[in-house]
Order: sequence, then C-alpha cells, then structure tokens
Amino acid sequence: DIQMTQSPSSLSASVGDRVTITCQASQDITNHLNWYQQKSGKAPKLLIYDVSNLETGVPSRFSGSGSGTDFIFTISSLQPEDIATYYCQQYDNLAALTFGGGTKVEIK
Amino acid sequence: QVQLVESGGGVVQPGWSLRLSCAASGFTFSHYGIQWVRQAPGKGLEWVAVIWYDGNNKYYADSVKGRFTVSRDNSNNMAYLQMNSLRAQDTAVYFCARYNSGHEDFWGQGTLVTVSS
Repeated sequence: DIQMTQSPSSLSASVGDRVTITCQASQDITNHLNWYQQKSGKAPKLLIYDVSNLETGVPSRFSGSGSGTDFIFTISSLQPEDIATYYCQQYDNLAALTFGGGTKVEIK
Repeated sequence: QVQLVESGGGVVQPGWSLRLSCAASGFTFSHYGIQWVRQAPGKGLEWVAVIWYDGNNKYYADSVKGRFTVSRDNSNNMAYLQMNSLRAQDTAVYFCARYNSGHEDFWGQGTLVTVSS
C-alpha cells in the first residue's frame, strides 16, 4: 500500500500567519492527492482535490501544490475558524486509499 | 441538497456482527461510488472500503478484508457495511461518503461502533 507521511503532526500559529503542511507519498501518485479539514466532532470536509483544485465554496486562503511524491497544503492567512485537523489522502491506488496521519492546527 | 445519513452503530461484543446503513438523498445515487471511512477514538482517518456506483467493484482495507462486506441497493438509495467477527480495534466512528472522481465530496455525520466485552 502507498504510505502517506504528513508533517508536522501539530502546529500552533497566530491569526494571520501563513501555515504550511507537507505530505509525502511512498511512491509516485502523480496528482492523485486530496486535502480534507476535520473540525472537532464533525465529519471531514473536502477542501482541495487533485492537488490544487479548490472545492466549491472553500475560501481562497487555502491552496495546494506539488506532484509525484511531495505535496504542500497552505493556509495563506490563518483564521480562528481554521482550527481543525487536516488530512491528505491519496487515491492513486483506488483499491487501497490511504490518508496521512493528520495535522492538528491550533491558534497561538 | 446532498445528504448521507449513517445508522446501525452500537455496542457489541467481540466476535459479533453489525450492519451499518447509509441512506442517501439529494443526488442520483446510482451514479456515484460510496466510500466507508472510520476513525478510532482520538485517532486519524482510516479508509475501510469502497463500492463502485454499480456495485460491480468493491475494495477493502487489509484490516477488514474477509470480515467486512460492502453492498448497495440503488433502487432504494442505500449503502451497507456488513461487519462480521468484530474486534476491539474496530471500535470507531464509521462515516459513509459520496465518491466523486477520486475524492469524497459529501460525508455523513458518522455512526459509532463500540466493540467491548
């Protein structure tokens, strides 16, 4: 199975800060990479699909980049409502989808 | 609007079975795959299984292969996850989600399964 290594596992930043999360795949997954946001006690929410495509209704401060094995998720200006855990997910192998371990984002 | 509602969770003993249901509405159910994803208490997301839009392809995580079976009833807009030989490590909130061209764009609220003696 394809392993997804996400880092950091947690971070604390101030409102307005730029926040960056990385996700590394154990093999080339081309652009088959999604990002989800999960707030406490809620279901995950799709933010970005196919590396860099913003889901409808998602604020433009969220963005994604990368290809192959290395991917980056960015919040350009952290807002209080962005407090959540963020997950990357690969779907290159449709018979074995995998998520990263998650990054918990907190306000400093 | 698109809605997915899971049901069927509960407390069971190790070795028992449970069937989860996912009721879909607000979209053409037969056009989309359904994913099952779980989350153990305090842990991350774990993909469990997927069933294709027509039910002809089904895939499972190694951790549940041979014990869990996914199915669907397109005439009634329902998806199911049959869980047999349950173990303590299957304790989790189980989510169903609509699978749309490589990503899950709508999720249910989840149903809690607790396996404990």
